[in-house]
Amino acid sequence: DTGVSQDPRHKITKRGQNVTFRCDPISEHNRLYWYRQTLGQGPEFLTYFQNEAQLEKSRLLSDRFSAERPKGSFSTLEIQRTEQGDSAMYLCASSLGQGYYEQYFGPGTRLTVT
Amino acid sequence: GNSVTQMEGPVTLSEEAFLTINCTYTATGYPSLFWYVQYPGEGLQLLLKATKADDKGSNKGFEATYRKETTSFHLEKGSVQVSDSAVYFCALTDSNYQLIWGAGTKLIIKP
Repeated sequence: DTGVSQDPRHKITKRGQNVTFRCDPISEHNRLYWYRQTLGQGPEFLTYFQNEAQLEKSRLLSDRFSAERPKGSFSTLEIQRTEQGDSAMYLCASSLGQGYYEQYFGPGTRLTVT
Repeated sequence: GNSVTQMEGPVTLSEEAFLTINCTYTATGYPSLFWYVQYPGEGLQLLLKATKADDKGSNKGFEATYRKETTSFHLEKGSVQVSDSAVYFCALTDSNYQLIWGAGTKLIIKP
C-alpha cells in the first residue's frame, strides 16, 4: 500500500474561482478526514466520513465548502468562489474503524488564492 | 473546550544535545495524547502516543509521559541528530475521536 495520496499537490487559483481536491485513502480504511492547516498553526478539523456518510462538519466549513465520498472510497473537497483567506494546506487523513485508530496523513494540497 | 499548548519555536540545538519540547493540554474526560512529526516536504506522521495517565509513549529514541496531575505530555530525546529536524505537533483526541492540535514546534538541529 502506498499510503494516503492527494491530488493536486499545489493549486494556484484566482479569487472567485472554484477548486476541487481529491484524496485517496488507504484502501481498507473506512474513516476519512479533512483538515486545513495555515502557516505556523496546527491542523484544524474540517469534516470526516465513515464510509460514504459524512458524520461531522466543523463550523469552519462554510457553505462554500462541500465534501463527498461516493462509494466510501476516494473523497473530494470543493471550494466554491474562493477567497484569499482560503489559502492554506488542505490535509486528508484516513483511519481504520471506529474508536481511536491512528490517522495516516497524505502530503496535502497547498492552495494559493491570488 | 479542549485545547493543546506547546512551546513556541524554533528550537535550535546542536547535534547530540538533549531535547525537551513542552506540551500542556486542557480537556474534559480522559483524552489520548499524541506527538506527530512533519519532516520537510512530507506528510504528518504519528511519532508516539499514550492512552492513559502515567503511560509512556516511545519511538525512535523519543519519549513522552502522560502526566494527568500536571496535564502535560512533554517530548524528550536524549541525543538529537540532524535528521530529527522537523516540526513537532502535540495533539489529543476528544470524546468524538477528533484530533485537537497544538500550533507545532519547529526543531532545527545543527551539526
